[in-house]
Parts: sequence; C-alpha cells; structure tokens
Amino acid sequence: GQQVMQIPQYQHVQEGEDFTTYCNSSTTLSNIQWYKQRPGGHPVFLIQLVKSGEVKKQKRLTFQFGEAKKNSSLHITATQTTDVGTYFCARYFNLNYGGATNKLIFGTGTLLAVQP
Amino acid sequence: NAGVTQTPKFQVLKTGQSMTLQCAQDMNHEYMSWYRQDPGMGLRLIHYSVGAGITDQGEVPNGYNVSRSTTEDFPLRLLSAAPSQTSVYFCASSSNRISGNTIYFGEGSWLTVV
Repeated sequence: GQQVMQIPQYQHVQEGEDFTTYCNSSTTLSNIQWYKQRPGGHPVFLIQLVKSGEVKKQKRLTFQFGEAKKNSSLHITATQTTDVGTYFCARYFNLNYGGATNKLIFGTGTLLAVQP
Repeated sequence: NAGVTQTPKFQVLKTGQSMTLQCAQDMNHEYMSWYRQDPGMGLRLIHYSVGAGITDQGEVPNGYNVSRSTTEDFPLRLLSAAPSQTSVYFCASSSNRISGNTIYFGEGSWLTVV
C-alpha cells in the first residue's frame, strides 16, 4: 500500500537515554520527511531526505535514509523532556501535475515519553 | 505573518448536521491539504489541492467536500456529520517546488459529532 510503517508505536525512556524510531516501506521512496508533533499541537517539519544513504544531523537528532531508499530512521541522543511528542515520517507521491506534488502520506507515528 | 489559520478550533455537531471547516494561508502557497488525525491512525489525507480550481481526493475522502476558489482559502465541508468523523482536522499548505516541499500545518480543529 501507500502507507509507511513506523516502529515502535510507543517508547518510554529515562531522560538521558537514546531513542530511535524506524520507518519502513515495501516500495522505493523518492524522498522521506520527518515531523514532530508535541502533545496537543500540530505537526512541525523537521527534515527531508532525498539521497540513498543520506545522513543528516540536527543537534542531538540524526536522520538516515537507507541505501535502498525503503527505510529511514530518526535517532535522538541523550533524550530530554523537551523531546516528548510523536514523531512521524511521511512520503511524497508524484502526481501528474507537471511533476509537482503535494500528496504527502504519513506513517503511523512513534510516541516518545521521557521520564525525568 | 499568520501562516495557516484554521477555524473553528473546537466544534460539537449533531449527527446529520453539516458544517464547514475554514482554512486560510497568507504565504501564497499553491498547495493545500486537509488531514484528519485519529488515535493510533496517524494523519490521513482527506483532500488536497495543487492550485485554485484544482482539487483531488486523498486516502479518506468520503463524507467530505472541498473547493479552491482562491489561492488563500481551502474550506472543508462535512455534508452530513457522522460520529465516525469525530477527529482532529489539520489543514496544511506548501509551495510548489518540485524538489519537495516543507509543509506548514494549522493548529488543528477538534470536531466531535454526537
């Protein structure tokens, strides 16, 4: 299908521990985006990955795109209470409107709880 | 700069009633979308638009209508509300860069159908 699967659905960590969420697809992805949604808030764009094997870092967050472009991961080093929220990956589908697209399908998300 | 503005923020409807969720963006974005979010289901695409006058269905379009008469506005209409439409609704917009777009979300509209 179109959806990407995320694991785990839920992760509870002690503050200072690391955290990783995985996004998997049965088909090759043209790109993958990651979003964070705080409890009661709206999704906020974090990053986009496009190239096979790409790795990007944002402070304690490391994003990786698999070599086969069928999976991606988000790793948080030394979690803090401010990292609490749900992390979503999302994939784009190309449409027939002159090559441009805005059909973005989200994964099921991973809820991260951080205990102080 | 307001970004993406959704109204109302909260709404309670009776089964069978109709209503419109409003969405406006002031970033001159071509692309706009509506998502619904249910517990354990993530965000599911309802309808989207690539520009004024052009709309298309997403993953879960049944029971909803959209129109895009201007670049700024993308209202979502519930024709005959059902309890299954109780959800949080997010409107989103992005520019039309082919290489991939950052999507900006509104703050959400909490809808309860009783």
